[in-house]
Amino acid sequence: DAKTTQPTSMDCAEGRAANLPCNHSTISGNEYVYWYRQIHSQGPQYIIHGLKNNETNEMASLIITEDRKSSTLILPHATLRDTAVYYCIVRVSGTYKYIFGTGTRLKVLA
Amino acid sequence: EPEVTQTPSHQVTQMGQEVILRCVPISNHLYFYWYRQILGQKVEFLVSFYNNEISEKSEIFDDQFSVERPDGSNFTLKIRSTKLEDSAMYFCASKGGLQGQETQYFGPGTRLLVL
Repeated sequence: DAKTTQPTSMDCAEGRAANLPCNHSTISGNEYVYWYRQIHSQGPQYIIHGLKNNETNEMASLIITEDRKSSTLILPHATLRDTAVYYCIVRVSGTYKYIFGTGTRLKVLA
Repeated sequence: EPEVTQTPSHQVTQMGQEVILRCVPISNHLYFYWYRQILGQKVEFLVSFYNNEISEKSEIFDDQFSVERPDGSNFTLKIRSTKLEDSAMYFCASKGGLQGQETQYFGPGTRLLVL
């Protein structure tokens, strides 16, 4: 089973920040949090990952709580093209496989 | 920017036929994966491959499935005798081999339809 839980769906107004939460209360100290998204049935697209510090790249920011039990992906200025299913993944310790949950279906509204 | 490519994009086959799905991972990546996604369902791990052998596989990856890296660039998934329930999107992914290169990069997928 996935080690993360996410809300099933969220809406966001175009141009506003989209904040997508994820709970990973059983995460181990050396496990990274990864975020991917899937637009329609395309291949999952890597967004960002982090261990314990907050991270930012050209696509998004990742805020990880101090206890590492949850994180938030922030899309600072959502566009219609950001409508997708967003997956928060914690890789199973000792393996390299990803266990995908059901993700959050983000709909960006015009 | 380097990317994972997959061919064909769509494949239609008759039940019982063999299919081979092809992937070209990112150059100099060392870890390779296949995942599948049945329509409307979650992305599921099938198999991981490193150093010319399977390093991990799921319960889905039974004797009907096999993987191969026939040359220095291709990575293939073979389904020996397809079943209706094999209809799905199949995604290939690859990952670098250096410490810190933990991120998997996915290809666009092959949509397999078994009739």
